Amino acid sequence: QVQLVQSGAEVKKPGASVKVSCKASGYTFTNYYMHWVRQAPGQGLEWMGIINPSGGSTNYAQKFQGRVTMTRDTSTSTVYMELSSLRSEDTAVYYCARDFQGAAGDPWGQGTLVTVSS
Amino acid sequence: EIVLTQSPGTLSLSPGERATLSCRASQSVSSSYLAWYQQKPGQAPRLLIYGASSRATGIPDRFSGSGSGTDFTLTISRLEPEDFAVYSCQQYGSSPRTFGQGTKLEIK
Repeated sequence: QVQLVQSGAEVKKPGASVKVSCKASGYTFTNYYMHWVRQAPGQGLEWMGIINPSGGSTNYAQKFQGRVTMTRDTSTSTVYMELSSLRSEDTAVYYCARDFQGAAGDPWGQGTLVTVSS
Repeated sequence: EIVLTQSPGTLSLSPGERATLSCRASQSVSSSYLAWYQQKPGQAPRLLIYGASSRATGIPDRFSGSGSGTDFTLTISRLEPEDFAVYSCQQYGSSPRTFGQGTKLEIK
């Protein structure tokens, strides 16, 4: 079945970087764009950007430009989201989600909690 | 950036009742690229509606979406116990693909 499995929870200090992985299975990896969405504790969803696993092109929300890098490894069907210069406000659950006609469709990964604390 | 405002913030209803959730955009959403998601505590969101009115695979027909331009609505015709959750809208017609802040649908 189609599945996205994300890497485990992370605890980082302010100023550090974090790299979250999302491994896809059950479908042709390069046929579907992948979104990254985050959710701070008790807050709404926030779209971070999208990557085309086929060519590697990306589109980032301006809020994250310069701090976020999305990459992919086609040999392992894995996409990565790296966020740098972390601050406490970046504490959130980070999700990957397979694209469906432009929306963050189905499935979603299980989420990765990133905690930024000194 | 398109800002999506959802109302009400919280909606208290009983099973069997009809739920109407609103999503208003600060500017027109191109080609009705508007989606609705359901999220239960501790779970990832699930896509319900895309293209403003098309149900995603496996979504029961009690869920329906409507609207265009700047005003969109999610309707749940007869609430089932499993429908009580947070609902979020998202526009994906322009970047960034913004979400609304969510409506919590709770049991009355």
